[in-house]
Amino acid sequence: SYELTQPPSVSVSPGQTARITCSGDALPRHYAYWYQQKPGQAPVVVIYKDTERPSGIPERFSGSSSGTTVTLTISGVQAEDEADYYCHSVDRSGNLRVFGGGTKVTVL
Amino acid sequence: QVLLVESGGALVKPGGSLRLSCAASGFSFSDYSMNWIRQAPGKGLEWLSYLNGSDSTIYYADSVRGRFTISRDSAKNSLYLQLDNLRAEDTAVYHCARESHKYGESFDVWGQGTMVTVSS
Repeated sequence: SYELTQPPSVSVSPGQTARITCSGDALPRHYAYWYQQKPGQAPVVVIYKDTERPSGIPERFSGSSSGTTVTLTISGVQAEDEADYYCHSVDRSGNLRVFGGGTKVTVL
Repeated sequence: QVLLVESGGALVKPGGSLRLSCAASGFSFSDYSMNWIRQAPGKGLEWLSYLNGSDSTIYYADSVRGRFTISRDSAKNSLYLQLDNLRAEDTAVYHCARESHKYGESFDVWGQGTMVTVSS
C-alpha cells in the first residue's frame, strides 16, 4: 500500500527554522496538506495544496514541493509551535487518502 | 458555528460490532464529502473511509475494507461508521472530518473524537 514518509522528530531552538519533509512517489501528481496537532486537540490544517496557507494561520508557516518531496517550513519557531505535524495526500489512484507517520516538533 | 460531534464509542470484545455516529451542524451537510479517521493511543493519524456528498462514491483503507461500512443520513445531518469483526488493533479515537471546499481537499473541520476500545 502507498505510504508517505516523514521523519519521526525535529528539534529546533526558538527563533530558528524547522523543516519537515514528507516523501511519496505520487506527490508530483497530487497535492499535499499539512496539519498541526497539539496534545488532546483535533488536527488543524496549516498548509493546503502544497503551498497555500489558510486564513488565520501565521505567515511563519510555509510549504514547498519538489519532485516526490513536500516540505513544511516553520520560520522563527515559537514555543507554541511545539506539536505533532502530519502530511496528507492521496495514493497513486488518486482515491485513497493517506497520512504520513507524523513528525514531533520539539522547541528546545 | 460549524461543528462535528462523534458518539458511540465503547469497550467491546474482539469480534464484536459497534456503530459510530457523527452529528454535523452549522453547514450544509449534504454538500460535503466526509471521512472517518482514527488515532490509536500514542500513534499517528490513520485515514479509514470516505463518502462523497452525493453518496455515490465510497473508499476504504485496506486495513478496514470488508469490516467497516460508512454511510450518512442527510435528513439527520449525520455520518455513520459501522465497525464489525473488531480487533485489538482497532482500539483508537475515531474522528469524523469534513473535506473542505475552500482549502483544496483538506480536512478542515474535525470532531473531537469517540474512543473505541477492543479488549476481552
